[in-house]
Amino acid sequence: AQSVTQLDSHVSVSEGTPVLLRCNYSSSYSPSLFWYVQHPNKGLQLLLKYTSAATLVKGINGFEAEFKKSETSFHLTKPSAHMSDAAEYFCVVSVPQAGTALIFGKGTTLSVSS
Amino acid sequence: GAVVSQHPSRVICKSGTSVKIECRSLDFQATTMFWYRQFPKKSLMLMATSNEGSKATYEQGVEKDKFLINHASLTLSTLTVTSAHPEDSSFYICSARVSGGSASYEQYFGPGTRLTVT
Repeated sequence: AQSVTQLDSHVSVSEGTPVLLRCNYSSSYSPSLFWYVQHPNKGLQLLLKYTSAATLVKGINGFEAEFKKSETSFHLTKPSAHMSDAAEYFCVVSVPQAGTALIFGKGTTLSVSS
Repeated sequence: GAVVSQHPSRVICKSGTSVKIECRSLDFQATTMFWYRQFPKKSLMLMATSNEGSKATYEQGVEKDKFLINHASLTLSTLTVTSAHPEDSSFYICSARVSGGSASYEQYFGPGTRLTVT
């Protein structure tokens, strides 16, 4: 079975400091992994995706994530937080071979203070 | 490219009435669309998978007679909440998967529909 665990429900950082949002996954197959961001009362925007190519994936707005198979992790990072980064972040796994839809983590709320 | 729209963005209806939400893929064809429900400060819960030209597949615990899904074309899926009750109030989000090709696993999300049942 496939699952995804976001280790922190809430992360608070100061503007200009690094961001780390942690995600671990479980999958019997080679997964595709995604990070989505959701601002209040808005839909989901894709930040980045891993699909078995380069393990270090760069996304929009300065975010990146590294796929580590040995650790079954796909943590999201950004060197310097901006106030506009405050939002809900979802780590998502997809396993096409298993015929499943996207499986969402429970989300991490990122707060950015000035 | 790969834009998904939802209509309406917000709807308020009275208890007992039915509400239809549309999900459209604007610039690509989608044989498969998904409907999610999101409660406040919660993650997305998959309700059903909608396949063009066939019956939708509902997740366990989702009432198929209450949440009617129709995927009539490669660019349109509709979700009808029948005999709505206040507990149906939620944020409903659809997504569409690109048909075929190497990117067939990727989904694009609509902006969501806020349903409030009074």
